[in-house]
Amino acid sequence: AQSVTQLDSHVSVSEGTPVLLRCNYSSSYSPSLFWYVQHPNKGLQLLLKYTSAATLVKGINGFEAEFKKSETSFHLTKPSAHMSDAAEYFCVVRNTGKLIFGQGTTLQVKP
Amino acid sequence: DAGVTQSPTHLIKTRGQQVTLRCSPKSGHDTVSWYQQALGQGPQFIFQYYEEEERQRGNFPDRFSGHQFPNYSSELNVNALLLGDSALYLCASSSRLGGGYEQYFGPGTRLTVT
Repeated sequence: AQSVTQLDSHVSVSEGTPVLLRCNYSSSYSPSLFWYVQHPNKGLQLLLKYTSAATLVKGINGFEAEFKKSETSFHLTKPSAHMSDAAEYFCVVRNTGKLIFGQGTTLQVKP
Repeated sequence: DAGVTQSPTHLIKTRGQQVTLRCSPKSGHDTVSWYQQALGQGPQFIFQYYEEEERQRGNFPDRFSGHQFPNYSSELNVNALLLGDSALYLCASSSRLGGGYEQYFGPGTRLTVT
């Protein structure tokens, strides 16, 4: 069965410093992986996706993620955090059309 | 181009009642998936519809049912509501032509069961 594990339930950074949100996946074959963001009282927005093309994936708002098969990881990074990045982030794996979500990581950005 | 829309935005029901939630997919999309997001949790897949039929189902009881209409819009019905059904219900649409990899989510319907 496919699954994702987000290693941190809460991450706090200062504005202007790098962001790292960690995600490990479990899959018996090459997975399709995504990161979604959810701002308070809003729906989910797709940040980026990996579908077995380039291992370094660039997304919106300066986010990127690197697919590492040897480490079964798909960590999300951003060089410099902005206050507007404060939100809930979900690592997601696609399994025959349905999406399987991790538990989420709350990103806090301090001024 | 309108994105995914859902109605209503909020709903309060009593235990034992029935509820219907509605979703209109993004223009050009033919597949609708429903997810339940309990407070503090990641969304969980309920079921997926295309060509007006349920194609996949997650681990949810038969109290949860759905429908897809010829214009691709969809309804989620929940019967005999329980307190544990209180959650944010999210609809996502995608296109089978594009492989269905990208699912676009609506803002959700917040259901409170008292």
